[in-house]
Amino acid sequence: AQSVTQLGSHVSVSEGALVLLRCNYSSSVPPYLFWYVQYPNQGLQLLLKYTSAATLVKGINDFEAEFKKSETSFHLTKPSAHMSDAAEYFCAVSRYGATNKLIFGTGTLLAVQP
Amino acid sequence: GAGVSQTPSNKVTEKGKYVELRCDPISGHTALYWYRQSLGQGPEFLIYFQGTGAADDSGLPNDRFFAVRPEGSVSTLKIQRTERGDSAVYLCASSSRDGKNEQFFGPGTRLTVL
Repeated sequence: AQSVTQLGSHVSVSEGALVLLRCNYSSSVPPYLFWYVQYPNQGLQLLLKYTSAATLVKGINDFEAEFKKSETSFHLTKPSAHMSDAAEYFCAVSRYGATNKLIFGTGTLLAVQP
Repeated sequence: GAGVSQTPSNKVTEKGKYVELRCDPISGHTALYWYRQSLGQGPEFLIYFQGTGAADDSGLPNDRFFAVRPEGSVSTLKIQRTERGDSAVYLCASSSRDGKNEQFFGPGTRLTVL
C-alpha cells in the first residue's frame, strides 16, 4: 500500500523567506511523486513531478523538490516566497501501472506574511 | 485548448435525494478519474476510467455511488439516497495515456447535502 504524510498542516513564512513544505511517503514499489497547489476556489494545479529520472525536480514558479529514497522524502522548497504563493499544497504518490491513481496527503496551507 | 470542466459548480440537495455530477475531460484524454475532497482533507480516489470502462472502482465508498462514461469522453458520477456525509467537493481529472500520469484537474463540484 502507498501513503503520504505531510508534516505541518499550516506553515507561515515572511515574504522573501525560504519555503519548505515536508512530505514523506510510503511505498513498496518505486513511486511516482507529485506536488499540487490549490488556490482558493480553484482546481488542483501540478507544480512538479518525480517519475524516476533526476532526483532533483524543478517545477513552475521556482519551486523544486528532491527525491531522497533513503529518507523516503520529497520535500518542496522555494528560495524566496511571494505573496502569490499563499495556497494549499498537496503531496501525492502513485505507481506506474494499470490505475495510476493518486494517493494524496492531507495538505499544507501556506501563508505568506508581508 | 479547454481544460477539464465540471458541472454544476455547486449543488445543494436534501438528504435522500439523487444527484448527478458531470465531468468533461480534456479532448483526447482517454483516462478519467473521480476524487472526493472533504473539508480539511486531501482528495481521495473514487474511480478510474480508461476509455468507456471502469478500470478501478475500489474507491467508491458504497453501492450508492456509481459512475459512467458511455462514450469514453464525458463522465457522470451518480449518488443515490444522498446522506449528509456525502457533502464534499467532487473533483474530476483526466490524463493522456502516455505513461507520465500527469492528471489535469477540473475546478470541482461542491455538493452540500442538507
